[in-house]
Amino acid sequence: AQSVTQLGSHVSVSEGALVLLRCNYSSSVPPYLFWYVQYPNQGLQLLLKYTSAATLVKGINGFEAEFKKSETSFHLTKPSAHMSDAAEYFCAVTHSSNTGKLIFGQGTTLQVKP
Amino acid sequence: NAGVTQTPKFQVLKTGQSMTLQCAQDMNHEYMSWYRQDPGMGLRLIHYSVGAGITDQGEVPNGYNVSRSTTEDFPLRLLSAAPSQTSVYFCASSRPRTSENTGELFFGEGSRLTVL
Repeated sequence: AQSVTQLGSHVSVSEGALVLLRCNYSSSVPPYLFWYVQYPNQGLQLLLKYTSAATLVKGINGFEAEFKKSETSFHLTKPSAHMSDAAEYFCAVTHSSNTGKLIFGQGTTLQVKP
Repeated sequence: NAGVTQTPKFQVLKTGQSMTLQCAQDMNHEYMSWYRQDPGMGLRLIHYSVGAGITDQGEVPNGYNVSRSTTEDFPLRLLSAAPSQTSVYFCASSRPRTSENTGELFFGEGSRLTVL
């Protein structure tokens, strides 16, 4: 069975500080991993995805994530937080059945303080 | 580009009423799915479809029905609404995962449902 765990339901950083959102996964097959962002009252937008081509993945808005198989992790980082980064972030892994299903973590709300 | 379109965006129901949430996609995606989002629980899969005429249950299917008569449309029906179905509902579509496609989901903007 596959699962995703996001450590920390709320993360607060100061503007300009490093953003680190943690994601650990469990998968019986080589995983395809995603980070999605949800701004208030909006749908989910893809930030970045891991497909095994490269372990360090760069996404939109300056975010990146590193796939570490030994740690079963796919943490999301950004060197310098902006106020506009305040949102909810979801880590997800594709289901092994290849039927269009994603398994989501519980989500992490990022607060950015001025 | 419309992508995935959901209607209505907001709805208030009374317990026992029925309604249908509409979802349409114009990307010719084979796969479509419905998720519900509740605080602290992430997104949970309600029903999904791998093509016209084919549907299956997800993690939390009770109280919901779906059908897929065309590639484009995937409506979600609440048969007899309950307060526990108060949630934000998201429809999504995707292509099959292949060596050239990651199978990422494309989401609609959501439908916020309140059941009194």
